[in-house]
Amino acid sequence: SQTIHQWPATLVQPVGSPLSLECTVEGTSNPNLYWYRQAAGRGLQLLFYSVGIGQISSEVPQNLSASRPQDRQFILSSKKLLLSDSGFYLCAWGGTSGRTGELFFGEGSRLTVL
Amino acid sequence: GEDVEQSLFLSVREGDSSVINCTYTDSSSTYLYWYKQEPGAGLQLLTYIFSNMDMKQDQRLTVLLNKKDKHLSLRIADTQTGDSAIYFCAGPYGQNFVFGPGTRLSVLP
Repeated sequence: SQTIHQWPATLVQPVGSPLSLECTVEGTSNPNLYWYRQAAGRGLQLLFYSVGIGQISSEVPQNLSASRPQDRQFILSSKKLLLSDSGFYLCAWGGTSGRTGELFFGEGSRLTVL
Repeated sequence: GEDVEQSLFLSVREGDSSVINCTYTDSSSTYLYWYKQEPGAGLQLLTYIFSNMDMKQDQRLTVLLNKKDKHLSLRIADTQTGDSAIYFCAGPYGQNFVFGPGTRLSVLP
């Protein structure tokens, strides 16, 4: 069966520090991978998605970047965090069932920037 | 404006039925989805419906689709305290899809 792992689960970082959130998927090949951000009590904002190794589409210009060094690994990074980067970050995979929009989410990473 | 809209809050009493509504603008023939998010967790796919169907039932969940009005609803029968969560609908947006803002369902004892 397929699983998705996301870490760290919780992170408290000072303004200006770097960030690295990692997501890996097991049990499937060539998935589409997604990073979403959810501000407190708000909806989902799509940050990046990837349809293959090294292929990254950015939906919102901002302080963050994403990379996909391996088929089932997706990394969200920042060189210098801003206060506004605080939020709940969700990784997801999909695209193998033929049903666009069917996603499977990780448990999320809560980032607090102080 | 929003491509997928939902009311933000809904409160029901335990044992009653809950109806969560969603409207969308894209008329592509595709799947529409309902996701559930419990506090502090990721989203969990609840159910989906293809746009050529008007109803789908799965145990306590009933999905109704009015394609003419571009209106999707999720009915939860015999709502329980464990159903308290945020419910997101997701619909087509060009070649991709977009999530609604989520409806926070509170179940009162």
